[in-house]
Amino acid sequence: KAGVTQTPRYLIKTRGQQVTLSCSPISGHRSVSWYQQTPGQGLQFLFEYFSETQRNKGNFPGRFSGRQFSNSRSEMNVSTLELGDSALYLCASSKVGRGNTGELFFGEGSRLTVL
Amino acid sequence: GENVEQHPSTLSVQEGDSAVIKCTYSDSASNYFPWYKQELGKRPQLIIDIRSNVGEKKDQRIAVTLNKTAKHFSLHITETQPEDSAVYFCAASGGSTLGRLYFGRGTQLTVWP
Repeated sequence: KAGVTQTPRYLIKTRGQQVTLSCSPISGHRSVSWYQQTPGQGLQFLFEYFSETQRNKGNFPGRFSGRQFSNSRSEMNVSTLELGDSALYLCASSKVGRGNTGELFFGEGSRLTVL
Repeated sequence: GENVEQHPSTLSVQEGDSAVIKCTYSDSASNYFPWYKQELGKRPQLIIDIRSNVGEKKDQRIAVTLNKTAKHFSLHITETQPEDSAVYFCAASGGSTLGRLYFGRGTQLTVWP
């Protein structure tokens, strides 16, 4: 069974540009959430999607957005990049309903560097 | 919202010793408390979790305790080994929020041989 897949793994952008990150969840997992990981700050929640609907949103500016498709794949977008957006962006998927243990299964992340 | 505090931020132990990491949470509605281990350059992975109806849970060398009254929970690793070296994150969640975990800032555990 394939794990959570994130693309691209690494990318470099300059300030003011935008970026789109992609996440394919584990087959059968319908909830996808995104976290930003920076040194010293741990993992900060960005948003969570289920059935193509954003169910929860963290305290990030509107430059951060996301969406989920009918096949549960998800994308997140960051517009007008700032230096402080440099981070590892982690996607996690989980089951919904019967069989849901609460466990999040993380991808290996997309490391974004903003110059 | 929930606020999770984790201590210490770094922890060094000799191989074979025990390691304890402590977390506190603020929201009394939280009822699920997982611990994730992240090795260098790898993804976070669940190592153990506990729900609010249980006070303690063990899995071989790892145990987690929960004190709902005081709103704190702890991870205990006994007989530490060099491969236990990693960053450990505690987290909390509650209610019907799917996929939203409030994480602590992490503890870098180093086990010296």
